[in-house]
Amino acid sequence: DIQMTQSPSSLSASVGDRVTITCRASQGIGNSLAWYQQKPGKVPKLLIYAASTLQSGVPSRFSGSGSGTDFTLTITTLQPEDFGTYYCQKYNSVPFTFGPGTKVDVK
Amino acid sequence: QVQLVQSGTEVKKPGASVKVSCKASGYTFRNYGISWVRQVPGQGLEWMGWISDYNGKTSYIQKFQGRVSITKDTSTNTAYMELRSLISDDTAVYFCARGQGFDHWGQGTLVVVSS
Repeated sequence: DIQMTQSPSSLSASVGDRVTITCRASQGIGNSLAWYQQKPGKVPKLLIYAASTLQSGVPSRFSGSGSGTDFTLTITTLQPEDFGTYYCQKYNSVPFTFGPGTKVDVK
Repeated sequence: QVQLVQSGTEVKKPGASVKVSCKASGYTFRNYGISWVRQVPGQGLEWMGWISDYNGKTSYIQKFQGRVSITKDTSTNTAYMELRSLISDDTAVYFCARGQGFDHWGQGTLVVVSS
């Protein structure tokens, strides 16, 4: 099975900072990658699908890029409400594996 | 609007089984697969398996093979996840989610396994 890794595992950034999270697949998955945000005790929220398509209603400060094995989620101007854990997920074929997550704290 | 509504909290003893439901509304149920995802307290998201939209075929990760069954009832637009031979490590929140690239999720069902 394809393994998903993310880096960093956690980060702390200030409001207004540019934040970048990387996701890597152990084999190519085309652009079948999604990004989710989850806050404590809440349901995960889809941010990005097809590697770079912004889900409806998601602020434009979120963007995704990449294809094949290497992907990036960028938050251009970090806001206080952007704290939480971010997960990538492959969905080109089963299993639809998640990455281990990146915890983002806002200073 | 699209909704996935799950059944409520379950408390089970080790060795028992649990069956969690996920009732869909607001869209054509047969057009989307349903996955089940679990989250052990303090840990990440773990995809368990799914039932496809196309032919109702199921797929599970090796970890749960033989112990989990995902089914659906298209007459009631409801998907189910049954987990058998429960152990304390199965204590978690279980989510259902729609499609590939999960744009809609159930609210989660807490399953507590304790003697």
